[in-house]
Amino acid sequence: AQSVTQLGSHVSVSEGALVLLRCNYSSSVPPYLFWYVQYPNQGLQLLLKYTSAATLVKGINGFEAEFKKSETSFHLTKPSAHMSDAAEYFCAVTRGGGYQKVTFGIGTKLQVIP
Amino acid sequence: DTEVTQTPKHLVMGMTNKKSLKCEQHMGHRAMYWYKQKAKKPPELMFVYSYEKLSINESVPSRFSPECPNSSLLNLHLHALQPEDSALYLCASSQVVSGANVLTFGAGSRLTVL
Repeated sequence: AQSVTQLGSHVSVSEGALVLLRCNYSSSVPPYLFWYVQYPNQGLQLLLKYTSAATLVKGINGFEAEFKKSETSFHLTKPSAHMSDAAEYFCAVTRGGGYQKVTFGIGTKLQVIP
Repeated sequence: DTEVTQTPKHLVMGMTNKKSLKCEQHMGHRAMYWYKQKAKKPPELMFVYSYEKLSINESVPSRFSPECPNSSLLNLHLHALQPEDSALYLCASSQVVSGANVLTFGAGSRLTVL
C-alpha cells in the first residue's frame, strides 16, 4: 500500500520568503507523486506531478518539487511566497498501472504574512 | 474543455429527503470518482468508475448510491442521510499521463444534512 506523511499541518511564512512544505512517502512499488492545492470552498488543483521522468519537477505558480528516493521525500518549494499562495496543500501518491487509487496526505495549511 | 462541473454547489436536505449530486466532464476521461471531504481533512475516496463500471467502492454506506449513465456523467444519489454526512463532495475525472493516474477535480457540492 502507498501512503504519504505531511510534516506540519500549519506553516507560516513571510511574503517574499522561501516556502517549504514537506512530504514523505511510503510505497512498496515505484510511486507516482503529486502536489495539489485547495483554495477555500474550491476543489483541488494539480500543482505538479512526479512520474519518474525527472527528479526535479516544475509546476504551476512557480512551485517545484524534488523526488529523493534515498530520503523517500517529495518536498514542495517556492523561492518567494506571495499572498495568493495562502491555501491548503495536499501531497498524494498512487501506483502505476491505470486508474489506481490516489491517496492524499492530511494537508498543510500555508499562511503568508504580509 | 478542461473542467469538471458539479451541481448543485450547495444542498441542504433533511434526513428523510432524496436528492442527487451531479457531475459532468467533457475531457474524454474514462474514469470518474466521488470523494468526501470533511472540514480540515483530506479528501476520502468513496467510489471509482472506470469505463462506466463501478471498480472501487470504499465500503460506503448504502444511503449513498452512485450511478454512471455514460462516460461524461456521474451522479451520487442520496437518501436517508445523517447529519454526520454533511461535507464537501468532490467529483473528479482522470487520465493516465506517463503512467500516473492524474485527477482533475470539480469545485465540489457542499452538503448540509439537517
